[in-house]
Amino acid sequence: DGGITQSPKYLFRKEGQNVTLSCEQNLNHDAMYWYRQDPGQGLRLIYYSQIVNDFQKGDIAEGYSVSREKKESFPLTVTSAQKNPTAFYLCASGGGYSTGGKNQPQHFGDGTRLSIL
Amino acid sequence: SQQGEEDPQALSIQEGENATMNCSYKTSINNLQWYRQNSGRGLVHLILIRSNEREKHSGRLRVTLDTSKKSSSLLITASRAADTASYFCATDKAAGNKLTFGGGTRVLVKP
Repeated sequence: DGGITQSPKYLFRKEGQNVTLSCEQNLNHDAMYWYRQDPGQGLRLIYYSQIVNDFQKGDIAEGYSVSREKKESFPLTVTSAQKNPTAFYLCASGGGYSTGGKNQPQHFGDGTRLSIL
Repeated sequence: SQQGEEDPQALSIQEGENATMNCSYKTSINNLQWYRQNSGRGLVHLILIRSNEREKHSGRLRVTLDTSKKSSSLLITASRAADTASYFCATDKAAGNKLTFGGGTRVLVKP
């Protein structure tokens, strides 16, 4: 089945450690997104990528990094510079440039819950 | 900052009743989308309404859009316990499909 797979489902980070969250899609979408969701809140955009080998900062990019070496994959690294990383992280994909970018729904994975040890 | 703001923040109804939630936004948009999120899961796309549309239906869902008031509403008719979830509006105001989400409305449907 087509969809988005995020792993792991739960992740724990130690002080000073970088951790990487995985996001893979087989929907053939050009665009991929990372969001952060805090308890009882909406989604805030961390980074997004409209096409392979290109990505842009979202609203809360500080302390995070991404790469987009393959169309199917958009991993997110939460660095030690992110002082409050505890949150629910959601990855999504959408049409992107190949569909003109506009008026496209986004498809979401089931998230990774990150906590501090 | 959040472009869309949902109202109410929480809603509790009996099964069979209708649920209405509203979304307001600040700047011009290309389209507005509604999503559902079950507890601990990802978001699921429900419906998209373009800026030149005023009303759209999908099953038991009805969405309206008033661009003059910069607001949208989502109506769920004949609610079921399975409709218990958080509902988010999201606006797309530029090319590239970068969405801005509101804070959501938490809906509880009691059997």
